Order: sequence, then structure tokens, then C-alpha cells
Amino acid sequence: DAGVIQSPRHEVTEMGQEVTLRCKPISGHDYLFWYRQTMMRGLELLIYFNNNVPIDDSGMPEDRFSAKMPNASFSTLKIQPSEPRDSAVYFCASSQGQIYGYTFGSGTRLTVV
Amino acid sequence: KQEVTQIPAALSVPEGENLVLNCSFTDSAIYNLQWFRQDPGKGLTSLLLIQSSQREQTSGRLNASLDKSSGRSTLYIAASQPGDSATYLCAVYRDGGSQGNLIFGKGTKLSVKP
Repeated sequence: DAGVIQSPRHEVTEMGQEVTLRCKPISGHDYLFWYRQTMMRGLELLIYFNNNVPIDDSGMPEDRFSAKMPNASFSTLKIQPSEPRDSAVYFCASSQGQIYGYTFGSGTRLTVV
Repeated sequence: KQEVTQIPAALSVPEGENLVLNCSFTDSAIYNLQWFRQDPGKGLTSLLLIQSSQREQTSGRLNASLDKSSGRSTLYIAASQPGDSATYLCAVYRDGGSQGNLIFGKGTKLSVKP
């Protein structure tokens, strides 16, 4: 298995532009999570899906953030418009359930200038 | 609100030394606990997952223990090597409730000197 795959690995964009991050979970995992990691706040859960349905989006910081999971093998996290304070590493993780733990992707390092 | 604390924030040891990383959590009602390793600029690699009914897990030179009643977990690394240098993160799963309740500590940055 290739693990959780995220793209792009790095993204540099100008303030005000739209950014889309992509994630392919491990096949057979029915939970998908988006996390954000910063030096100040560490790892924070943004949103998670179960069987493609958003369950908890209380961690999404603002309406500028949105996430979708159109099918079991693909999810996107979109920021529109982007701001410098959105600069962080964004991780996607998938799981078969708590008892099995989570598997993380390699992350997308976003820089908004 | 569950809070996870890892002490120390950074640790430097000579190669070959045995060491212990600490993790504490404020709410003992956890489902299980997972230790991760993060190399600079990389993602998180799962090291050990301890179920709530277990007290420890071992993998190679790593041993993790869990004491729910005291709100503590430790990660023991035997005979440390320079390749062990990384940030080690502890994360707890809330007991019951939402699947998404995985709370992370801020990690311990380990440096093993040759």
C-alpha cells in the first residue's frame, strides 16, 4: 500500500489566491482527517469525514476554509482567499477506526506571501 | 478539555544512552494512546499504539507504557542511535464520543549525538 498520499508537497501562493490541497486515503479506511501544524499551536484537527460524510468541522478556522470528500479515495481542502496566517503544514490522515490508530500523509507545506 | 503535555520539549543525549520521554494528559477517560515520530519536514510515522486495556507495547528498542489513572505515558528508547533523532509526539484518543478526538502534545525534540 502506498499509504496516504498528499499533493502538492509544497505550495507558495500570494495572499488572496485560492489554494487547493489534495489527499488520497488508504484504500479501505473509512475515516479521513485534515490537520494543520504550526509552531505555535502544534497539530490541530480541522475536519474529519466518515464514509465520505463530514462529521465534525468545528476546527475549521473560518469560512475561507472548506473541505470535500466526493468519494472514498479523494478529499480536498480549499482555502479561499488565502492569507499569510494560513501558512502551515497541512496533514491528511486516514483510519479504519480508533482501535487501529491513524496513518498520516507526508503533508503539504503552504506558504502564503 | 483534554490537554496533552510532553516534557521535556527538547532533549540531547549521547549515542548509546537509554532515555525516557514523558507524556501526560488531563482527562484519564481516554480510549487509547499513540506515539508518533516526525522527522524534519516530513509527516508523522506511527511508532506504537496502546489500547486502553493495555499497559504497554513494545517494538524493537521502543517500549511505551500507559497509566490511565495517573494520566501518564512514557516512551522508553533503549541504546539510542543518531538515527533516532526526531520529534516524538504523543496523542490520545478520547474515550467514546467522536472519532475525531485525537489530541496531540507538542512533542519532544530528541537529538542523539554520535
